[in-house]
Amino acid sequence: GQQLNQSPQSMFIQEGEDVSMNCTSSSIFNTWLWYKQDPGEGPVLLIALYKAGELTSNGRLTAQFGITRKDSFLNISASIPSDVGIYFCAGHQYNNNDMRFGAGTRLTVKP
Amino acid sequence: GAGVSQSPRYKVAKRGQDVALRCDPISGHVSLFWYQQALGQGPEFLTYFQNEAQLDKSGLPSDRFFAERPEGSVSTLKIQRTQQEDSAVYLCASSLDRSTEAFFGQGTRLTVV
Repeated sequence: GQQLNQSPQSMFIQEGEDVSMNCTSSSIFNTWLWYKQDPGEGPVLLIALYKAGELTSNGRLTAQFGITRKDSFLNISASIPSDVGIYFCAGHQYNNNDMRFGAGTRLTVKP
Repeated sequence: GAGVSQSPRYKVAKRGQDVALRCDPISGHVSLFWYQQALGQGPEFLTYFQNEAQLDKSGLPSDRFFAERPEGSVSTLKIQRTQQEDSAVYLCASSLDRSTEAFFGQGTRLTVV
């Protein structure tokens, strides 16, 4: 089962607003990744984080790898309608072969 | 190709039928993963290949599920005697190695009727 707790489950925001979502775990992860999934498509990688404390930006997106290695957040600034979708956090541990995924945050942006 | 390619995009199977789902990873990617995604959920790990070796199949839900990657490139996920609970989107991902960023295909939506 999934080990990552992702929140919030859903968000309804107005275009232009900033958005923040996060992922926590009771376990340490060595890599954190954030994906966006549109309906009928596979997840698309947004940001990958490899070091505790790392803060990385990709356009209007900013993500951080928590110092404790047990959490990560994703911020989206000045949201636009095409930001609509489901955002997943994923983590990888050295002693596991797979990435573990959160349950997703469904983002709705009202024009 | 430029990205991970999966086929078919959609598959409808009658209960009890066998199905085969194909994944073409990004060229040169050593690692290949299969995930199952139920409606409204995040992807759940099924199995992992490093080149042609299946190093982890701990996520396969039953012995009806079988995956192979005989030449270390294309992979096939086979489901025998499909059941309704097998209905889901099956996602394939590949990466340079197991701990670097993985890139997903568009998935195969399997519906068992």
